[in-house]
Amino acid sequence: TQLLEQSPQFLSIQEGENLTVYCNSSSVFSSLQWYRQEPGEGPVLLVTVVTGGEVKKLKRLTFQFGDARKDSSLHITAAQPGDTGLYLCAGEGSNFGNEKLTFGTGTRLTIIP
Amino acid sequence: NAGVTQTPKFQVLKTGQSMTLQCAQDMNHNSMYWYRQDPGMGLRLIYYSASEGTTDKGEVPNGYNVSRLNKREFSLRLESAAPSQTSVYFCASSEHQMNTEAFFGQGTRLTVV
Repeated sequence: TQLLEQSPQFLSIQEGENLTVYCNSSSVFSSLQWYRQEPGEGPVLLVTVVTGGEVKKLKRLTFQFGDARKDSSLHITAAQPGDTGLYLCAGEGSNFGNEKLTFGTGTRLTIIP
Repeated sequence: NAGVTQTPKFQVLKTGQSMTLQCAQDMNHNSMYWYRQDPGMGLRLIYYSASEGTTDKGEVPNGYNVSRLNKREFSLRLESAAPSQTSVYFCASSEHQMNTEAFFGQGTRLTVV
């Protein structure tokens, strides 16, 4: 089983602050996805990173894939209440026949107005 | 577009009862998945179907069976429900297994008493 640990598990910060959440594994992934989930809904894809060291930006969100493709981070600048939600990373296995997604444990983010 | 549709949205079962969770997608996707979501554990894969006519076990398959009825539909069956199966269940689909976005249904909240 390829385990993905996310940290912190919970994070509550004031509107306007910056934050970073992490997704770590001892396994190599061929790609890594970040999803956001709101209460009562299924997760929705934010971004996919594929290349080691890749950085992608989505407005105030910056995603980075580690050089070794074992970890990733999500940085939010000037957090807004609309950023509140559960953030999940998901890694795609790099071995043939094991390409299915493995989800991380999640970071529950609350932005206080 | 409806995307991924799951039924029912809520269900309460007594220990030992059986039920089937239904899932259908209208995006012509090849791959479909069943996950369960428990607090602090992210999403864990129960079963998946890489393509019509095939199914494979995921991380936590015990106590469950699945049927890929056709390309659109993928059902999850609990033959004899147990309290440990109390969870939120999500169905998802993706175009292929590899490096593609997973689209999720809204979830089924199942309580086994």
